Amino acid sequence: DGGITQSPKYLFRKEGQNVTLSCEQNLNHDAMYWYRQDPGQGLRLIYYSQIVNDFQKGDIAEGYSVSREKKESFPLTVTSAQKNPTAFYLCASGLAGPTAEQYFGPGTRLTVT
Amino acid sequence: GDSVTQMEGPVTLSEEAFLTINCTYTATGYPSLFWYVQYPGEGLQLLLKATKADDKGSNKGFEATYRKETTSFHLEKGSVQVSDSAVYFCALLNTGGFKTIFGAGTRLFVKA
Repeated sequence: DGGITQSPKYLFRKEGQNVTLSCEQNLNHDAMYWYRQDPGQGLRLIYYSQIVNDFQKGDIAEGYSVSREKKESFPLTVTSAQKNPTAFYLCASGLAGPTAEQYFGPGTRLTVT
Repeated sequence: GDSVTQMEGPVTLSEEAFLTINCTYTATGYPSLFWYVQYPGEGLQLLLKATKADDKGSNKGFEATYRKETTSFHLEKGSVQVSDSAVYFCALLNTGGFKTIFGAGTRLFVKA
């Protein structure tokens, strides 16, 4: 089945450690996105990529890094520089174009203590 | 810049009640408009969309009409069910852009 997978569903880390969240899609989409969602709030864009080997900062990129070496994969690293990393992280993908919706993964809930 | 404003929640309704969730937007040009739904602990799913003025998007009994004159895209359903309990997000994607702008979300509770 086509879709987006994120792993793991739940992730626990100690403060000061970097952690990488996985996102894979088999929808053949060029564009991929990472969002952060805090309780009771909307989505905030961290990074996005329109094509392989290229990505742009979103609204809250500080303390995060990404790579896009393959079309199917867009991993997100939460670094120790991110001041408040505990959140629900959502990955999405979509076709290019002004009418294209996004397809979301199931999310990863990261808890840093 | 572009923005989306939704009515604040939570909205609590009894089963079979009529639902309206208001959404207005600010954008230059002619954006596409979307409603996404998020069930507890899950990612978002597209519920419906409209890509030009006066278009009506519909799915699973929900519908919304793209009103350019009032810059609105209100979500409606004639008879809600308990299974409709979720968070609903209004969103826009502007011409030439790759960034979808999401509203803050409106939580809906439906009581049996």
